[in-house]
Amino acid sequence: DSGVTQTPKHLITATGQRVTLRCSPRSGDLSVYWYQQSLDQGLQFLIQYYNGEERAKGNILERFSAQQFPDLHSELNLSSLELGDSALYFCASSVGEYNSPLHFGNGTRLTVT
Amino acid sequence: AQKVTQAQTEISVVEKEDVTLDCVYETRDTTYYLFWYKQPPSGELVFLIRRNSFDEQNEISGRYSWNFQKSTSSFNFTITASQVVDSAVYFCALSEGAAGNKLTFGGGTRVLVKP
Repeated sequence: DSGVTQTPKHLITATGQRVTLRCSPRSGDLSVYWYQQSLDQGLQFLIQYYNGEERAKGNILERFSAQQFPDLHSELNLSSLELGDSALYFCASSVGEYNSPLHFGNGTRLTVT
Repeated sequence: AQKVTQAQTEISVVEKEDVTLDCVYETRDTTYYLFWYKQPPSGELVFLIRRNSFDEQNEISGRYSWNFQKSTSSFNFTITASQVVDSAVYFCALSEGAAGNKLTFGGGTRVLVKP
């Protein structure tokens, strides 16, 4: 158990809808990251927050947004969902901001129908 | 731009055989970190090792060992005396020094260990 908690585990929704994925980092970790894993794109970095502030951005679509709250949990919001957004979304956390090991949650599997 | 290549998409071995997973990376930075993660059938990503670009010493942890060679931009991973529980997808990843913790992952190598 990595200590990173993601909810929900599974999510099935229709195209055009909006969903929110939630992540609680390991105790003591200040950085939170979101990654997307799909069959065609592999594991792709979306965004990083450190102590509430955005630190790095990857190939995150404009329809997607995230934030990290004062209690350090994070939410990833996906809107105007398309079939191609179906993927496994991982949250990870780390102690530091740079190059410390990431510890991943079990992921949220999103299916868009 | 940074890139990680894992040329082997799938490797199948019989239990107790050794298996080596190749990882080749590209980066323009002199400071960077390399990682290996394991993704078992249950789906989670498990951290195995982190290596910085200034430390080329090989590392051994139980049945796992890693060979880092800057000259060939490779960071290979060997499982000695494989076991069925080693069956998983293994990912190599790269993080450049000034880019926070933005990991660039390779495509992964699926290892199937048969009893």
